[in-house]
Amino acid sequence: QSALTQPASVSGSPGQSITISCTGTSSDVGGYKYVSWYQQHPATAPRLLIYEVTSRPSGVPDRFSASKSGNAASLTISGLQAEDEADYYCASFTSTSTLLFGGGTKLTVL
Amino acid sequence: QVQVVESGGGVVQPGRSLRLSCAASGFTFSTHGIHWVRQVPGKGLEWVAAISYDGNNKYYVDSVKGRFTISRDNSKDTAYLQMNSLRPEDTAVYYCAKRTTGGLWALDPWGQGTLVTVSS
Repeated sequence: QSALTQPASVSGSPGQSITISCTGTSSDVGGYKYVSWYQQHPATAPRLLIYEVTSRPSGVPDRFSASKSGNAASLTISGLQAEDEADYYCASFTSTSTLLFGGGTKLTVL
Repeated sequence: QVQVVESGGGVVQPGRSLRLSCAASGFTFSTHGIHWVRQVPGKGLEWVAAISYDGNNKYYVDSVKGRFTISRDNSKDTAYLQMNSLRPEDTAVYYCAKRTTGGLWALDPWGQGTLVTVSS
C-alpha cells in the first residue's frame, strides 16, 4: 500500500498560518475517523499532535488544528513559531487493519 | 511519567534474528495496545506491527508478515518484536509507542528508538 500523499515541504513566516495536506483513498483517510498527525524534530522521536481527525492530546497548543473532507485531511498551524520547524506526518487506519503514514512534510519557518 | 523504552537493537547479518523489547512505565500497560514503527535514517515513518491490550489481536504490514512476530507480557509491562529472516531493507530505527489514551490507532508517547542494522 502506497504512503498517504503529503507535500514534501511547506514554509511560512513567524505569525503566519500554514496548512499541510494529506491525501489518501476511501480505504483509509476517507473511510475512517482514525487520522492522526505527528511532529518530529531532528534526531528525536515523533510526537502526537492530533488524533481521531480533530482531537488534541493534552499539552498540544491550540495553534494546531486539523480537519478532514472526503479522502483528504489537513493540519493547520496558526501563529507560526520558530519551534514549529520540523517534519510532520499524517497517518490513517486502513481497511486492512494497518496504520498507513504519509511521506512527511518538512516545515521551514522563514 | 508515561514512558516506553526500546532496547535490543544492533548489527545483525542478513538472514539472522533479533528481538526488540519495549518496556513500559507510568501507565496501566495491560489496557493499552502497543505499536512498532520504523524509520530509515533520513526517511519517513513506516508502521510495522501492533498488538491489542490483551495480546489476542496482532496486525502487521505486509512486508514483515511471516518474518516478524509481535508479542507482549503484561506481567512484565513489556512488549516485544521478534524479527527473523532479517533483510538489509529492514535496517532502520525502530520505535515502540502506546495507543494514545482516549483514542484508537494513534500513538503517544513514542520511545527514543533503537537502531537495527542488517549488514554482512
